[in-house]
Amino acid sequence: AQSVTQPDIHITVSEGASLELRCNYSYGATPYLFWYVQSPGQGLQLLLKYFSGDTLVQGIKGFEAEFKRSQSSFNLRKPSVHWSDAAEYFCAVGARYAGNMLTFGGGTRLMVKP
Amino acid sequence: DAGITQSPRHKVTETGTPVTLRCHQTENHRYMYWYRQDPGHGLRLIHYSYGVKDTDKGEVSDGYSVSRSKTEDFLLTLESATSSQTSVYFCAIRGQDTYEQYFGPGTRLTVT
Repeated sequence: AQSVTQPDIHITVSEGASLELRCNYSYGATPYLFWYVQSPGQGLQLLLKYFSGDTLVQGIKGFEAEFKRSQSSFNLRKPSVHWSDAAEYFCAVGARYAGNMLTFGGGTRLMVKP
Repeated sequence: DAGITQSPRHKVTETGTPVTLRCHQTENHRYMYWYRQDPGHGLRLIHYSYGVKDTDKGEVSDGYSVSRSKTEDFLLTLESATSSQTSVYFCAIRGQDTYEQYFGPGTRLTVT
């Protein structure tokens, strides 16, 4: 069975500082990997995705993520955080078959200090 | 934004009553999903559909049923609501040849 762990429940960074959110997954083969962001009271917005190929993927809002097979990780990064990035971030793994059910991590809540 | 709407957006109901949540899409996508979101658990899959009248169970399907009589609508029914079903419910859609899912705005359900 697939699973996702986001070790950090809360992270606080200063505006302008760099950010890395951790994600570790468990899956029997090469997974589909996703990062979503959720602002308070809103739905989930897709930030970026990894299916195959280049292990460094670029997403929206200046985010990137790197797939490391040897570490079973898919960490999200941003070089300079903006106050508007404060939100909850979810990592998800998708099964490579027709149903493509997503399994989500518990989420990391990001707070940004001025 | 993907054309997904959910109704109602908020609902308060009493234990033991039936509740139906509706997800409507305008994208003509084949796959539709229902998730619930609870603090510390992220989102967990309840049921999904891979076509009209074709559905399957997810991780937390007990106490829930679904129906899909046309491509654009996917209904989630709680036959007899319990307090443990208080949650935020999200619908998602996926196209035939893609793997990313797009989410609706959610329905906040409170069972008292």
